[in-house]
Amino acid sequence: SQKIEQNSEALNIQEGKTATLTCNYTNYSPAYLQWYRQDPGRGPVFLLLIRENEKEKRKERLKVTFDTTLKQSLFHITASQPADSATYLCAPDTGRRALTFGSGTRLQVQP
Amino acid sequence: GAGVSQSPSNKVTEKGKDVELRCDPISGHTALYWYRQSLGQGLEFLIYFQGNSAPDKSGLPSDRFSAERTGGSVSTLTIQRTQQEDSAVYLCASSLDPGVVSDEQFFGPGTRLTVL
Repeated sequence: SQKIEQNSEALNIQEGKTATLTCNYTNYSPAYLQWYRQDPGRGPVFLLLIRENEKEKRKERLKVTFDTTLKQSLFHITASQPADSATYLCAPDTGRRALTFGSGTRLQVQP
Repeated sequence: GAGVSQSPSNKVTEKGKDVELRCDPISGHTALYWYRQSLGQGLEFLIYFQGNSAPDKSGLPSDRFSAERTGGSVSTLTIQRTQQEDSAVYLCASSLDPGVVSDEQFFGPGTRLTVL
């Protein structure tokens, strides 16, 4: 069955460093993958989408890569700030309109 | 413009009672989704509405759960005979055009349901 894995342990980094979060999927080949940010008590907010034919996508300090061979997407935040602290969710396409999310990785950026 | 709104923001109920959760999607969005997020669990799909098509109910966990969408806009999620395991945050999302498979979803703030 399709499986989506994100590191369930929180990631703690210092302000100014680059945060790298991982999303692995198994047993299928998504046509695209979305990343969302979720703050406590709020719904997820869309950040970026990357398609299977794109190796990399950037938006301001965010960068997403998509390696269809490794079945992995990496989400990078450069020059991280305390305001980047949140839970980040990946949602690889599963062939249906509703999203299937990974469990999310909580990022904590220390000032 | 206004985002997706949900009401109530919090709901405490007793086991066995019925509850109704409401979602107002973004105006003009044709697709509406309900998800559930339990403590320590990821976001779980419940049901999806698209225009006048029959909804995709494949995520509903039991027949105690139902949802309707009136006039292609507002949606109500109903849970009958609530159980303690129904306690979770119920999130609603809408999207503009799911004919575009990569259509971004806009989420509401959620309704936190606590079943005592």
